[in-house]
Amino acid sequence: EAQVTQNPRYLITVTGKKLTVTCSQNMNHEYMSWYRQDPGLGLRQIYYSMNVEVTDKGDVPEGYKVSRKEKRNFPLILESPSPNQTSLYFCASSFSQGKNIQYFGAGTRLSVL
Amino acid sequence: LAKTTQPISMDSYEGQEVNITCSHNNIATNDYITWYQQFPSQGPRFIIQGYKTKVTNEVASLFIPADRKSSTLSLPRVSLSDTAVYYCLVGDRGTGKLIFGQGTTLQVKP
Repeated sequence: EAQVTQNPRYLITVTGKKLTVTCSQNMNHEYMSWYRQDPGLGLRQIYYSMNVEVTDKGDVPEGYKVSRKEKRNFPLILESPSPNQTSLYFCASSFSQGKNIQYFGAGTRLSVL
Repeated sequence: LAKTTQPISMDSYEGQEVNITCSHNNIATNDYITWYQQFPSQGPRFIIQGYKTKVTNEVASLFIPADRKSSTLSLPRVSLSDTAVYYCLVGDRGTGKLIFGQGTTLQVKP
């Protein structure tokens, strides 16, 4: 089954404790992206990757890191989480950026205390 | 950066046609315009995509004028299960980044 898998689905952590949210897709997509969703602000892009070893900042990259060592995986790293990173996070993938039918994961709800 | 504008909310009744318009300027010349549906606690789900004129699939139609400065999602004969948030997605002309609209919350009433 074609899917984008995020883990964990829920995470509660404390300020400053490094964490990684994993994202994996099985559709051989080149384009992958991370978004955060906050009430009243909609979906905002954090980072995206056009292909392996190619990543770029989205609209709200501060406080986040990503890597794309393999085509299928695109982990989101919070080196030192802060309470303002409490949010709902979505990973997405698509064949390319231009014809942008993106497939979304189920989401990761993160709370930073 | 491309800017998108959607109505924040809309109300409708079962069986009616609903049209949601997204205004978008400065969008990438070669990118498609895409619409998504999102239910609470779920990821957005693809509804329809187009480049120009009109596109229709089994669930919706999408109207895009020649200047591509707006797009209108049309949902025929909505039902209670169409209550959701609807987003447009465009590419920014300058950076190529993908920009979501703020979302339109559609409430369908019986």
